[in-house]
Amino acid sequence: GENVEQHPSTLSVQEGDSAVIKCTYSDSASNYFPWYKQELGKRPQLIIDIRSNVGEKKDQRIAVTLNKTAKHFSLHITETQPEDSAVYFCAANSGNTPLVFGKGTRLSVIA
Amino acid sequence: GAVVSQHPSWVICKSGTSVKIECRSLDFQATTMFWYRQFPKQSLMLMATSNEGSKATYEQGVEKDKFLINHASLTLSTLTVTSAHPEDSSFYICSASKGSGGYEQYFGPGTRLTVT
Repeated sequence: GENVEQHPSTLSVQEGDSAVIKCTYSDSASNYFPWYKQELGKRPQLIIDIRSNVGEKKDQRIAVTLNKTAKHFSLHITETQPEDSAVYFCAANSGNTPLVFGKGTRLSVIA
Repeated sequence: GAVVSQHPSWVICKSGTSVKIECRSLDFQATTMFWYRQFPKQSLMLMATSNEGSKATYEQGVEKDKFLINHASLTLSTLTVTSAHPEDSSFYICSASKGSGGYEQYFGPGTRLTVT
């Protein structure tokens, strides 16, 4: 089955700096890669996703890149703000399998 | 649209009792629903996948007789934790998919279960 590795587990950045979180996956059949933001005690919120027919996707300060050959994808947050502080999860699946999540990255943005 | 609700949002029960958690898709029909468990400071771990009208598929290590899942309609799935023990205390989150696969899952708000 699919296995998703996520790094780093914790990340501290100064406000205004960029943050990058990386994930690798094992199943070459996976073709959907979402990123979730989870605040303490709340549900995961989808912040951006990418499908395998696209190499990069951007939404304001958030971007995701996908390298299918190397089986890795990354989340980039620019101009970080304190409200970006949360736990971020990457995930992967193909059309008929459940999402498999990475272990999460705790992002702290220091004002 | 794509709103998923969960009830209750939190529950405290005594060891040995059973607890039922409901997951509803409010504005769409969910062919597939997923149940996850999340321990503090850990990731979401898939417990089972349920498809309307058929038996749930449980992940390895999840006891199907302890975690009873019923997906009786396209908008409702229930998870019953039977004979709960303190180690079952966790955050249980459901999600729903509009299609037959896992694309774009919509998460419920979660249920925090505490077993005393």
